[in-house]
Amino acid sequence: QVQLVESGGGVVQPGGSLRLSCAASGFTFRSYGMHWVRQAPGKGLEWVAFIRYDGSNKYHADSVKGRFTISRDNSKNTLYLEMNSLSDEDTAVYYCAKDQSGDGDWFDPWGQGTLVTVSS
Amino acid sequence: EIVLTQSPATLSLSPGERATLSCRASQSVSSYLAWYQQKPGQAPRLLIYDASNRATGIPARFSGSGSGTDFTLTISSLEPGDFAVYYCQQRSNWPLWTFGQGTKVEIK
Repeated sequence: QVQLVESGGGVVQPGGSLRLSCAASGFTFRSYGMHWVRQAPGKGLEWVAFIRYDGSNKYHADSVKGRFTISRDNSKNTLYLEMNSLSDEDTAVYYCAKDQSGDGDWFDPWGQGTLVTVSS
Repeated sequence: EIVLTQSPATLSLSPGERATLSCRASQSVSSYLAWYQQKPGQAPRLLIYDASNRATGIPARFSGSGSGTDFTLTISSLEPGDFAVYYCQQRSNWPLWTFGQGTKVEIK
């Protein structure tokens, strides 16, 4: 079955950087788009970024544009989120999610998430 | 940006009762609307996509309806595992996906 396992979260100081990874298995990774979604403690869901199946196009929410970069390595079945210039507003659980198609569709399924805490 | 407003914020019901959740979009999203369920400490799960299609493995007691700006998620008879937070999401404004703020269905 489809499995998505995030890693790389932790505590980072304001202004710092972090790279999240999402290891995918159970499906043909190179055929599907992938998303990152975050959820601040006690809050709702916020879409962060999307990358097409072949990595040809990437899209980021305005709140992270210029600071975060989504990427993928189809040879390693792995999705990444490079996060720079982190602020306390970026504190959240970060989920990766498989797109229903290659081109931007619904999110199914989701990984269990990795917690990023920005704090001095 | 398309804003999704969910109501009510909290719904207090008993097992066996019918739950009706609402999601209103700030502009038409056609049928490009989905519903997700999130239980405490868990990742969200896709329930309904394209307004009325059940995702794989989702029980028939979950149903979605609506188009344009007004949408409804109905749970025909609540089971203990259905008490959770439910989010609507739109993809009409691709590639900018947005979520509603959520409706918590709690045990009365």
